[in-house]
Amino acid sequence: AQKITQTQPGMFVQEKEAVTLDCTYDTSDQSYGLFWYKQPSSGEMIFLIYQGSYDEQNATEGRYSLNFQKARKSANLVISASQLGDSAMYFCAMREGLGNTDKLIFGTGTRLQVFP
Amino acid sequence: GAVVSQHPSWVICKSGTSVKIECRSLDFQATTMFWYRQFPKQSLMLMATSNEGSKATYEQGVEKDKFLINHASLTLSTLTVTSAHPEDSSFYICSALPGTGISYEQYFGPGTRLTVT
Repeated sequence: AQKITQTQPGMFVQEKEAVTLDCTYDTSDQSYGLFWYKQPSSGEMIFLIYQGSYDEQNATEGRYSLNFQKARKSANLVISASQLGDSAMYFCAMREGLGNTDKLIFGTGTRLQVFP
Repeated sequence: GAVVSQHPSWVICKSGTSVKIECRSLDFQATTMFWYRQFPKQSLMLMATSNEGSKATYEQGVEKDKFLINHASLTLSTLTVTSAHPEDSSFYICSALPGTGISYEQYFGPGTRLTVT
């Protein structure tokens, strides 16, 4: 079974609008971490936001927020006030366990295109 | 801070030759580094976990004799693709975990694009 599922291969959003990128996960661990990364066409992975399984509040980082619904095992990324520079691939990832060295499992990604 | 570099950024090699990719943490010490492979339009797949001073841990299906990993110091890990073949052409990305600081932060390098002809 897929550990991380991103069902949207591509999304379009108009500049200045908000967009939600979906991510669901599957784990039997109680302790885990959820991540979102942005990968522009240049290839580097840019860390956006992190949510720990025990965090009671949704994580926020500037224009990024993570809509964490633990019971539904979803961790959607919300980008507010989209900018043209937000056009990129976005990957959701999970780390089972809370140790530093636990590996990341990535979803298949969502390509976001922001248009004027 | 927390910069990870990779060298080279791209490389073309002939089938049957070996190529070495370096991953360096420039301003922090990394006891653990990870190597990922990403095929075009696909996700990142973890190849191996590299710990300084010990043998790397390879993921299932990754040939350890083909993908040699050496983590000789706290700031350098290398991946050597031995006897490369066209199917090894891919984007290879490393990440590094600092020994101190926020526990979840993994810092990624810019990636190395390997083309085997």
